[in-house]
Amino acid sequence: DTEVTQTPKHLVMGMTNKKSLKCEQHMGHRAMYWYKQKAKKPPELMFVYSYEKLSINESVPSRFSPECPNSSLLNLHLHALQPEDSALYLCASSPREGPQETQYFGPGTRLLVL
Amino acid sequence: GNSVTQMEGPVTLSEEAFLTINCTYTATGYPSLFWYVQYPGEGLQLLLKATKADDKGSNKGFEATYRKETTSFHLEKGSVQVSDSAVYFCALSEPSQFYFGTGTSLTVIP
Repeated sequence: DTEVTQTPKHLVMGMTNKKSLKCEQHMGHRAMYWYKQKAKKPPELMFVYSYEKLSINESVPSRFSPECPNSSLLNLHLHALQPEDSALYLCASSPREGPQETQYFGPGTRLLVL
Repeated sequence: GNSVTQMEGPVTLSEEAFLTINCTYTATGYPSLFWYVQYPGEGLQLLLKATKADDKGSNKGFEATYRKETTSFHLEKGSVQVSDSAVYFCALSEPSQFYFGTGTSLTVIP
């Protein structure tokens, strides 16, 4: 299995809703990442988990809450989002955290906040 | 700091034309360099990578050489196809974060 899967593919939510994005990989990778990508822009790093511990938080608002329940799963819990949070949310994984590691991306969850 | 600069798009080429997408970088250490491709509505796919100076990455007819002296990693393909239409991102990894360029949109017309 050489892919990163993400669910759901699309999500529409109101500003008062609570929802979660899920990411899964079975490549034995020990580093996992969340990115946010706005239209016609490059991905922006949000969080990095290394060996199931939060390694990097790029000053992301607390309405985004990551969780890594085990080495294969990465969740992003969403609460009280704003319309400007509408974007493509990409998950990625790499064998380890480090400069020579290739990141493998999932197809993304396209989020619309109304 | 670390950064990646890509040529502005969009780029439109006829099928079988030669492609070059320029990428230069600024890094404090010894980064690895990557090209990723994003097809419409999809996530990013690794196209090729190079981990040290003078390395050449290649895949599906695309290639790029890590040039430390010019801090560049230009993407080239000798003959593009309609199926190569996508957005191409240059990226560097150092020490544990990815820094992406702004992306270059390529459209290949028959």
